[in-house]
Amino acid sequence: DGGITQSPKYLFRKEGQNVTLSCEQNLNHDAMYWYRQDPGQGLRLIYYSQIVNDFQKGDIAEGYSVSREKKESFPLTVTSAQKNPTAFYLCASSPRGTPEQYFGPGTRLTVT
Amino acid sequence: AQSVTQLGSHVSVSEGALVLLRCNYSSSVPPYLFWYVQYPNQGLQLLLKYTTGATLVKGINGFEAEFKKSETSFHLTKPSAHMSDAAEYFCAVSTDGSSNTGKLIFGQGTTLQVKP
Repeated sequence: DGGITQSPKYLFRKEGQNVTLSCEQNLNHDAMYWYRQDPGQGLRLIYYSQIVNDFQKGDIAEGYSVSREKKESFPLTVTSAQKNPTAFYLCASSPRGTPEQYFGPGTRLTVT
Repeated sequence: AQSVTQLGSHVSVSEGALVLLRCNYSSSVPPYLFWYVQYPNQGLQLLLKYTTGATLVKGINGFEAEFKKSETSFHLTKPSAHMSDAAEYFCAVSTDGSSNTGKLIFGQGTTLQVKP
């Protein structure tokens, strides 16, 4: 089955630790995205990548980093510089030539 | 700049009643518009999309939406609500029309409650 996987579903970390969220897709999509979702705030774009080895900052990139070494993978690192990292993180992908995005199941990160 | 406004953060309907979720957009280019649904602790699922052509778009689960350029609206409707429709719904607009530049702008979301 083609799709987007995010792991783990739930993640707990202590304040001050970096944490990496996984996102893998087998849809052969060129573009991939990371969003953050907080209650009542919709989805906010963190980073996106349209091609391997290239990525751009979204609206709220501070405190986050990404890499795109393979077409299938777009991991997100939440660094200790992120002031309020507790949130639901969603990964998405889209094929070339369309803005239609397909989403993974999400990772809920809790930092205490 | 593109933006999306969803009127009403919470909508409550009775089972069997009409569902109407409102979405207005602002776009400097011909928009591509989307409705997504999200169930608790899950990702977003595409309900329907408008790109070009017919302005009345049918989607999954009996939902449909009509693109009205004069009103800059893309409201989502379903004739008869089912308990399984209870979820959060997001309207989104592509920032660059038909080009795939990787950005959708999402509304704040509307939580639909369906009462038995």
